[in-house]
Formats: sequence, structure tokens, C-alpha cells
Amino acid sequence: DIVMTQSPDSLAVSLGERATINCKSSQSVLYSSNNKNYLAWYQQKPGQPPKLLFYWASTRESGVPDRFSGSGSGTDFTLTISSLQAEDVAVYYCQQYYGTRYTFGQGTKLEIK
Amino acid sequence: EVHLVESGGGLVQPGGSLRLSCTASGFSFSSYSMNWVRQAPGKGLEWISYIRSGSTAMFYADSVQGRFTISRDDAKNSLYLQMNSLRDEDTALYYCTKEAGPGSYADRWGQGTLVTVSS
Repeated sequence: DIVMTQSPDSLAVSLGERATINCKSSQSVLYSSNNKNYLAWYQQKPGQPPKLLFYWASTRESGVPDRFSGSGSGTDFTLTISSLQAEDVAVYYCQQYYGTRYTFGQGTKLEIK
Repeated sequence: EVHLVESGGGLVQPGGSLRLSCTASGFSFSSYSMNWVRQAPGKGLEWISYIRSGSTAMFYADSVQGRFTISRDDAKNSLYLQMNSLRDEDTALYYCTKEAGPGSYADRWGQGTLVTVSS
């Protein structure tokens, strides 16, 4: 199975500052035939189910603020929040859907400094 | 609007069985692949099972292989998870998710149903 490793496990950032979360896969999730990275990012706030933020590594889901961006290819991916807002406090997960068994990263808890 | 509503959770003793259901609305259920994902209390997300549209393929995580069975009834717009030989470590909130397309990401999640395995 593909192992997804996020860093850091937790992160405290001041309001208005940049937050960066990394995700590394144990093997490439780039499918050569369509040049797509099979990688999604989710946001989970307390007491809520996860919410899709990005798919194909960098395609923003409708309604997601443009301060959020997704990047990367192959095995290394990044979720960036350009200017942290209070409502962004959450746990963020990456997930690969390349194989027949999907796997999530362990999550990164984002807090306000 | 897409809605996924899980049910069937509860308290069960180790070694027992439980059947979870997920009722879908707001989309053409039969056309989409579905998944079950669980989250142990205070822990991260764990994908556990997938079923393709038409029930043509099913996959399981190692942690539940041989004990859990995923199925669907397209006439009832429903997804199921039969859980047998339950263990303490199966205690979790179980979510059903809808995939955006074949072999792709989950674009909708239910609110989850809680399964507690304890004597």
C-alpha cells in the first residue's frame, strides 16, 4: 500500500501569515497516461466530516477560498494557506487515490499562534 | 443537493456483528463508486472499503479484509457495510463517501455513524 506522510504533525501560525503543510507519498501517484496526480486534500473541523479542498493535487474545489493552494507532483505535495484566517483552524489530510486501496496521511493540526 | 446519511451504528461486544447503512439522495447513486472511511476517537482518517458502480469490484483495507463486506442496493440508493468479528480497535465513526468519478476522490461525505466495540 502507498504510505502517505504529512509534515508537520501540528502547526501554529499567526493570523494573516502563511501556513504550509507537506505530504509525501511512498511511491509516485502521478499516472503517466493522463499526467494527473491522484492526490486530494481535505479539511476537517471539530465535530464535522472532512471537506474536500483540492483534487488532482492542485484543482480547487468549488467554494474553497483562493487563499488556499495545492501544489506538487509525483511524491511530494504541498497545501498552502497564504494568509491564515481564524476559520482555517482545522486538521488537514492528504489522500492518495492512485491505487485500489486509498490511504490518508496522518493529519496536520493547524492552530492560531 | 447530495445527501449521505449513515445509520446502524451502536454498541456491540467484541466478536459481534453490525450492519451499517448509508442512504444516498440528490444524485444518480447507481452511477457512482462509494467508499467507507472510519475515524477512531481522536485519531485520523482510515479508508476501509470501496465498491465500484455496478458492484463490479470491491476492495478492502488489510485491517478489515475477511471480516467486513461492502455491498450496495441501487434500487434503494443504499450502501452497506456488514461488519463481523468486531474488535475493540474497530471502534470509530464510520463515514460513507461518494466518489466524483471512477477511481477518484471523495467529493461528498456523510455525517458518520458511531460504532463502539466494548464488553
